[in-house]
Amino acid sequence: KAGVTQTPRYLIKTRGQQVTLSCSPISGHRSVSWYQQTPGQGLQFLFEYFSETQRNKGNFPGRFSGRQFSNSRSEMNVSTLELGDSALYLCASSLAAATEAFFGQGTRLTVV
Amino acid sequence: AQTVTQSQPEMSVQEAETVTLSCTYDTSESDYYLFWYKQPPSRQMILVIRQEAYKQQNATENRFSVNFQKAAKSFSLKISDSQLGDAAMYFCAYRSALSSGYSTLTFGKGTMLLVSP
Repeated sequence: KAGVTQTPRYLIKTRGQQVTLSCSPISGHRSVSWYQQTPGQGLQFLFEYFSETQRNKGNFPGRFSGRQFSNSRSEMNVSTLELGDSALYLCASSLAAATEAFFGQGTRLTVV
Repeated sequence: AQTVTQSQPEMSVQEAETVTLSCTYDTSESDYYLFWYKQPPSRQMILVIRQEAYKQQNATENRFSVNFQKAAKSFSLKISDSQLGDAAMYFCAYRSALSSGYSTLTFGKGTMLLVSP
């Protein structure tokens, strides 16, 4: 069974640009969550989606948005990139709410 | 809001020895899950062990076991017979178990485990 797949693995963007990250969950998993990991702030929750509905959102500015498609694949978008958005973005999928989460390998975003 | 605290930024252990990583949490909920995740240099988060709060028995997975003290809100991870491959950042995480609850994980800051030959 394939694991959680995140694309791309690495990304370099310029300040002011926008970026879209993709996450394909494990087959059959309907819950997808996104986390931002930085050395200073650690792991911070961004969003959670379940059956195409955003169920929860972390404390991030409106420049961060996401969505989930009918096949459970999810995308997150960051507009008007800032240097501080440089981070490892991790996606996790779960079979249903309150079960264990399985993580992808992450997308390393560097903003220059 | 729930918080998770890992007070040990770094721990060291020799191969074949035992090490314990500490984690405390704060919550007003009575039903929840606790997890330990491992993040090696590859950066992929790997689930090590899971504990349901309603279970009194401590979870065990091979060389990994937990000491879950619900009243004290403490959840430590014991690694026995440490191996070089255990070297990684370890994160303690909390998740609500409410039926209408979310899948959101709250993480601690992590403990870097160094394993020496």
